[in-house]
Amino acid sequence: GAVVSQHPSRVICKSGTSVKIECRSLDFQATTMFWYRQFPKQSLMLMATSNEGSKATYEQGVEKDKFLINHASLTLSTLTVTSAHPEDSSFYICSAPGTSATYEQYFGPGTRLTVT
Amino acid sequence: GQSLEQPSEVTAVEGAIVQINCTYQTSGFYGLSWYQQHDGGAPTFLSYNALDGLEETGRFSSFLSRSDSYGYLLLQELQMKDSASYFCAVRDPGNTPLVFGKGTRLSVIA
Repeated sequence: GAVVSQHPSRVICKSGTSVKIECRSLDFQATTMFWYRQFPKQSLMLMATSNEGSKATYEQGVEKDKFLINHASLTLSTLTVTSAHPEDSSFYICSAPGTSATYEQYFGPGTRLTVT
Repeated sequence: GQSLEQPSEVTAVEGAIVQINCTYQTSGFYGLSWYQQHDGGAPTFLSYNALDGLEETGRFSSFLSRSDSYGYLLLQELQMKDSASYFCAVRDPGNTPLVFGKGTRLSVIA
C-alpha cells in the first residue's frame, strides 16, 4: 500500500513557540492531504484539507492563522502550529486519499505535540 | 452533515467473537469503512462496504445494511493484540476526508 511519513514523530516545545510538522507521500503523489487532531481517548477530528497549489480549507472552529498549512508540492504538506499553547498539545495525523475503489485513506504515523 | 454512533467500550475474552456496531446518518452514502488504531499509533484500514452484505478478510468481517443505516465489524478468534480502538467512518466520493465515529475501545482479556 501507499506510504505516508510524518516528521517529527514527537516534539516538545515551550508555550509561545511555533512548531512545523511535515507530511510526505513517499511513493505516490497527493494533490490533497488531510490534517486531523486527536485528543486522548477521543476520535480523530478533521482540522483542514490541504490542497496542492491552492489555499487550505479549514473546518469550522479551526483558526487558520494559528494552524498554517502549506502544500508545497505533490508529495509534501506542512502544518505549522504558531504561538503554541498547552491546549494545543495533541496527536496530529495527516492522511492522503487512496485511488482504489475501497476509498482507503493512507495515514501518516502521527506527531505527538506537547506544549509546556 | 454526517454522524456515526458506536459503543464506547467493549470487553471480550481471548479466543471469542466480538461484534462492534455502527449506525450512521449521512446526507449521501458512499460506503462504510473500518479502521483500527492502537494506542499511540495511526489508524490502519481494515475494511470497506459499499453494498449490503458481509465482507470477510481473515479473522475480520464487516457487514452493511444500507436500509437500516447500520453496519458492524466482527472480530473472530480474538487475540490480545486485537486490543485497540476501532472506528467506523464515512466519506463522500472523490478526494474527501473521512468522518469518524467516536471509536470503540476493545479490551481483550485472558
